[in-house]
Amino acid sequence: QVQLVQSGAEVKKPGASVRISCKASGYTFIAYYIHWVRQAPGQGPEWMGWINPNSGATHFAQKFQGRVTMTRDTSINTVYMELNNLRSDDTAVYYCARVKVPAHIYYFDYWGQGTLVTVSS
Amino acid sequence: DIQMTQSPSSLSASVGDRVTITCRASQSISTHLNWYQQKSGKAPQLLIFDASTLQRGVPSRFSGGGSGTDFTLTISSLQPEDFATYYCHQSYNTPDTFGQGTRLEIK
Repeated sequence: QVQLVQSGAEVKKPGASVRISCKASGYTFIAYYIHWVRQAPGQGPEWMGWINPNSGATHFAQKFQGRVTMTRDTSINTVYMELNNLRSDDTAVYYCARVKVPAHIYYFDYWGQGTLVTVSS
Repeated sequence: DIQMTQSPSSLSASVGDRVTITCRASQSISTHLNWYQQKSGKAPQLLIFDASTLQRGVPSRFSGGGSGTDFTLTISSLQPEDFATYYCHQSYNTPDTFGQGTRLEIK
């Protein structure tokens, strides 16, 4: 069965970096882009960007450009999202989600379980 | 960025009721509109994609409609497990954007 399993909760100080992993199983890893979406407490989801696990190409929301990196390791079907220079308003649950490509209309059909990142001094 | 506005922001209803949630886009998005259900502490789950296509395994009491800027999610007969928060999501233009959510509560 399809699974996206994320790494565990993190507590970070302002200015630090966090790296979250998302391990995929149950499907052909390179056939689906992985997107990252975060959700601050009590808020709606916020899209951050995607990585193409086949080529390594990435695309980020302008809000996060310069502060986010997405990478992948195809040998272990895992993608990583690193967010730098953390601020208190980066406190959120971070999700990975897959999207089948190519697709004229795309949607997130499977999600990871989420990783809580708390930024606090 | 395309703004997605859901209404109402919260809704109280009873088991067996028919409810409709609306989502309005700030510009036309054709049918590039998806709906998700989220229960407390869990990841969102896809209900409907392409405005009206039911995801596999989702009960047929859920239905979606609309195109352009105005969309609806309807639950024909509420079941106890349907009380959750619902989000719309546009994937027409980057950046993807979501509605602020509609919290469906038991009356």
